[in-house]
Amino acid sequence: ETGVTQTPRHLVMGMTNKKSLKCEQHLGHNAMYWYKQSAKKPLELMFVYNFKEQTENNSVPSRFSPECPNSSHLFLHLHTLQPEDSALYLCASSHYVTAGGIQETQYFGPGTRLLVL
Amino acid sequence: QKEVEQNSGPLSVPEGAIASLNCTYSDRGSQSFFWYRQYSGKSPELIMFIYSNGDKEDGRFTAQLNKASQYVSLLIRDSQPSDSATYLCAVKRRQGGKLIFGQGTELSVKP
Repeated sequence: ETGVTQTPRHLVMGMTNKKSLKCEQHLGHNAMYWYKQSAKKPLELMFVYNFKEQTENNSVPSRFSPECPNSSHLFLHLHTLQPEDSALYLCASSHYVTAGGIQETQYFGPGTRLLVL
Repeated sequence: QKEVEQNSGPLSVPEGAIASLNCTYSDRGSQSFFWYRQYSGKSPELIMFIYSNGDKEDGRFTAQLNKASQYVSLLIRDSQPSDSATYLCAVKRRQGGKLIFGQGTELSVKP
C-alpha cells in the first residue's frame, strides 16, 4: 500500500456512458497526477494539480475532464470515450517543492483498468 | 529521438546473476532520475532515485548516473525470480517539472 487509493479498480463502459474515476491520497501531499498507460507504450502524463490548481494539461482530449476539489482527492470524469481510450489509468501524488529533492518523488495508486466497448 | 529510451527487452538472467538495466535521456538539463518497478497488472513502485553523478546503493540495487553521457543504469545483484518485472526509468528535467518515463525494460529472472 502506497497511501494512494483508486476506485473503481476495473471499469467497462460503452462509448455513450459517463463515468468517473476517483483517487484519494493519505500522504499529506499537495500535488496529484493522472497518467494513462497503454500496452507497450510509456506512461503518459495527462494532468497535474498543485495545491488544487491545474498546472498541466498534456493535450488531453476534452472527453477526459479532471476535478480536484482538495489536495487529497482527484477525479477523472469520462464521457463519450473511444475504444482506443482503453488503458490503465494511474493516479499519483507527491509533495510539490520548488527546491526539488526527495519530496517530489511520486507515489502511484493501484490504477483503474478501463475497457471501452 | 525519444526523451527517455530503454531497451524493451525481455532481458533474461539466471537466478543469482547481476541484472543490468540501462536508460538514456536526451535533455542535458535533467536533474532527477528515478527507477520504478512494475509487476504485471500492478502499478509502478519506486525503487530508487538519484540526483548526483556516481553510484547509489540500496540493498541489492545500485543506481549509476553519468550526466556527461546522459546515461542512468540500475544494477540488481543476486537476482531473484521475484525481481521479474518491468523496470521503468523516469527523468525529471527541472525542479517541479513533469516526470518523463521510458517505455520500460522487461526483466525475467530464471530459476
